[in-house]
Amino acid sequence: DAKTTQPPSMDCAEGRAANLPCNHSTISGNEYVYWYRQIHSQGPQYIIHGLKNNETNEMASLIITEDRKSSTLILPHATLRDTAVYYCIVRVGGSGGYQKVTFGIGTKLQVIP
Amino acid sequence: DTAVSQTPKYLVTQMGNDKSIKCEQNLGHDTMYWYKQDSKKFLKIMFSYNNKELIINETVPNRFSPKSPDKAHLNLHINSLELGDSAVYFCASSRLGLAGEQYFGPGTRLTVT
Repeated sequence: DAKTTQPPSMDCAEGRAANLPCNHSTISGNEYVYWYRQIHSQGPQYIIHGLKNNETNEMASLIITEDRKSSTLILPHATLRDTAVYYCIVRVGGSGGYQKVTFGIGTKLQVIP
Repeated sequence: DTAVSQTPKYLVTQMGNDKSIKCEQNLGHDTMYWYKQDSKKFLKIMFSYNNKELIINETVPNRFSPKSPDKAHLNLHINSLELGDSAVYFCASSRLGLAGEQYFGPGTRLTVT
């Protein structure tokens, strides 16, 4: 799986958009970008994933650059409950249920009142 | 309804004891996992089971033995507990072929004294 690079920490004002960057310059053509988050003392939570098109769901939006070497997770209106560690993971998607998910250090997002 | 549940939530025991952690998922998933998160917050996969068959065993000591009585359950038995086993253990599950989208349990905090 391709390696990812994320800033160790970020702050965001409550109600504003939180933009979390991730670099994955060695991503392969069949690798997807996945995002998880882990709120303090809870299990990780799957957020969203994408291959090359931008994706949106009820939790967040995922913007992937055209060259696929970086991506941004956007929380449109951050709340205090969004304070968590956010993990960007690159791995082969689709069939391949035997493959593991490797979590890095992630970005600690602090939402400030 | 809890999707992935673990029992117990907290486990305090002495060195040398044997203990088990239970995990159940009601999502109808075929694949289940065990992860260990140490004090530095690194989340590492330990095991993966697919339809009761062991798929991934990530260099885990033989003292750790997962058991899957059916595809909805994956229990973790630990023999001869050591201080270094103290950590939070997370169970997760996913649909077959969708290992990137895993659903995690709340975790079991194991403290070995």
